[in-house]
Amino acid sequence: GNSVTQMEGPVTLSEEAFLTINCTYTATGYPSLFWYVQYPGEGLQLLLKATKADDKGSNKGFEATYRKETTSFHLEKGSVQVSDSAVYFCALSNNQGGKLIFGQGTELSVKP
Amino acid sequence: EAGVTQFPSHSVIEKGQTVTLRCDPISGHDNLYWYRRVMGKEIKFLLHFVKESKQDESGMPNNRFLAERTGGTYSTLKVQPAELEDSGVYFCASSQDWVRGRAEAFFGQGTRLTVV
Repeated sequence: GNSVTQMEGPVTLSEEAFLTINCTYTATGYPSLFWYVQYPGEGLQLLLKATKADDKGSNKGFEATYRKETTSFHLEKGSVQVSDSAVYFCALSNNQGGKLIFGQGTELSVKP
Repeated sequence: EAGVTQFPSHSVIEKGQTVTLRCDPISGHDNLYWYRRVMGKEIKFLLHFVKESKQDESGMPNNRFLAERTGGTYSTLKVQPAELEDSGVYFCASSQDWVRGRAEAFFGQGTRLTVV
């Protein structure tokens, strides 16, 4: 069946450090891939997405590239800020109805 | 435009009691989804409505959970009777037609349910 695996957290970084959160998936067909973010006290927000192989999603300085050959969708940011502290969720959809399958989430804490 | 809203934001109930969670989707969104996150684990799909019909309820854990979507507008999720393992954060999401390339689900803030 379909599944998503994320690197475990929590991840603690200093401001302006480089961020990578690994995400790999198992899926049949050609899923769409997503990163959602949950800031403290808020709901889930879509951060970025990619709908086919080699697509790069980007938003707010974050990037992730859909790699079909390695079944990965790693999240990266070149210079994190304290305001990036949140829980990040990788997810996939097989595009049949919109059901999302999530990873376990990675908590990021950025220190000044 | 109002986003997805959920009520209540927190609920603490005793084992054996009944709790009803409510979700108001974004106006015009035919698709409505319920998810649950238990104990810091992954967010798991519970079910999917298209308008008032249950499209997929494969994630509902057992018959103590009942979801409804009257008139294809708001939805309720009732847990009766609640058990300790039902504790977690329940998320609701809605979307328009799910078409590759334009697909996006909008989530509410979640309801944190604690069963004691």
